[in-house]
Amino acid sequence: DARVTQTPRHKVTEMGQEVTMRCQPILGHNTVFWYRQTMMQGLELLAYFRNRAPLDDSGMPKDRFSAEMPDATLATLKIQPSEPRDSAVYFCASGSRRRGILPANEKLFFGSGTQLSVL
Amino acid sequence: SQELEQSPQSLIVQEGKNLTINCTSSKTLYGLYWYKQKYGEGLIFLMMLQKGGEEKSHEKITAKLDEKKQQSSLHITASQPSHAGIYLCGADMRGGSNYKLTFGKGTLLTVNP
Repeated sequence: DARVTQTPRHKVTEMGQEVTMRCQPILGHNTVFWYRQTMMQGLELLAYFRNRAPLDDSGMPKDRFSAEMPDATLATLKIQPSEPRDSAVYFCASGSRRRGILPANEKLFFGSGTQLSVL
Repeated sequence: SQELEQSPQSLIVQEGKNLTINCTSSKTLYGLYWYKQKYGEGLIFLMMLQKGGEEKSHEKITAKLDEKKQQSSLHITASQPSHAGIYLCGADMRGGSNYKLTFGKGTLLTVNP
């Protein structure tokens, strides 16, 4: 079965360190999303890519977070420097967006997430 | 305040019982998605509803979107331990083929054998 692959599954780091999370979307999907999940806020959208172009990163703290898609098979989310308040589960999801056809967004496929703990 | 309210926050039922989870908004829901999440895993798509009054079923799970498109319910018939997990509703609250989904905080379902 096709799946979204995220690495690492778990990451424990110290405050101030750089953290890089990776995501391999499903082959053929043209949209990639990064979400953060916490008990307090639930699921929050951090970034959205379509055809590898970043279309929305308004949910990300700009000074420390960055998201890229160097190629169609890899999306990255970096935090530098990391802070304890960044501790959360980070999910990557991919899907297909079709122009002129409703619904424009097909269902999203989520990875298993990266559980990040910043001490 | 939360744009999408889910109720209840948690639910414990005996195996075989029916249950309903609700997802409510004060705004129009242009697309309503139900996902299930197991502990330590990602979200798994269950169903998507778009039209007012729409109802979809898959195995023992039925989802409905009301006529006003402001409330959705997820009903599980004859619950089983395999139904346990966190159920989240997500919605497109802007329309216009918007890509952003707003999620509720989830309902934790426990099914006791």
